[in-house]
Amino acid sequence: QSVLTQPPSVSAAPGQKVTISCSGSSSNIGGNYVSWYQQLPGTAPKLLIYDSNKRPSVIPDRISGSKSGTSATLGITGLQTGDEADYYCGAWDSSLSAMVFGGGTKLTVL
Amino acid sequence: EVQLVESGGGLVKPGGSLRLSCAASGFTFSSYSMNWVRQAPGKGLEWVSSFSGSYSYIYYADSVKGRFTISRDNAKNTLYLQMNSLRAEDTAVYYCARDRGNYYNLDYWGQGTLVTVSS
Repeated sequence: QSVLTQPPSVSAAPGQKVTISCSGSSSNIGGNYVSWYQQLPGTAPKLLIYDSNKRPSVIPDRISGSKSGTSATLGITGLQTGDEADYYCGAWDSSLSAMVFGGGTKLTVL
Repeated sequence: EVQLVESGGGLVKPGGSLRLSCAASGFTFSSYSMNWVRQAPGKGLEWVSSFSGSYSYIYYADSVKGRFTISRDNAKNTLYLQMNSLRAEDTAVYYCARDRGNYYNLDYWGQGTLVTVSS
C-alpha cells in the first residue's frame, strides 16, 4: 500500500486532456514539494514536474502540475500515443523521513 | 551532459551481499544529493536511500534500514549502495538518481542495474 494514492489507470482519446490525481497527507504533499515522473516501458523514469508545478525546460507546456492542500494533479493536454506510459507522483514525507511515491497510474491513449 | 551509470547488480543468494556503484559525470557531483530508487518486477517505484551533497545527511527506507548502507566518494564522483542480508523481496532494478535541489525532485536517472535474490 503506497503512502501516496493514485488511480491505477486513466484513459482518453488522442488530442484530449487527462488528469492524474495524487492524494497524500499533511506530512508529505501538504508540507513539501511534489514531483511527477513518466516511465515508458523498459526505461528509467523521467522527471516531468518539480516543485509541484514547474517544468524542466525539455518538457512541453502541454504538461502541467498543480497542488492544493494534501492533493496534487498532473495534467496532460493534446494527448499523443507516445504519452502512453506509467506516471508516478513523489514527495518527501517529513514524518517518515523518507521519500514516498504513489503506486503509479497507467495512461492509455485510446 | 549529465550521466549516471549503475553497475554491480547480479544474482545473489538470500542472506548474501552485493555492492552497487553509480558513476556520475557531467556535473559537480559533490554539490548534489543523490538517491537510490528501486523497482521490483512489474511493480512501482520505491525510494531506498539518499545522501545529501552537503552536511552528509543520510536517510533510508524502513524496508532496508540496518541492512543497506549508502555512501559516496566525491573524489571519484561515485555513489554506492552496500546491500547485506539480502532477501527475495529486494529483487528489483536499482536506479541511482540526482536530486536537482534538495527537495526530492529527481531530475536525472541512470539506466538501472538488476539485482536478483534467489537460491
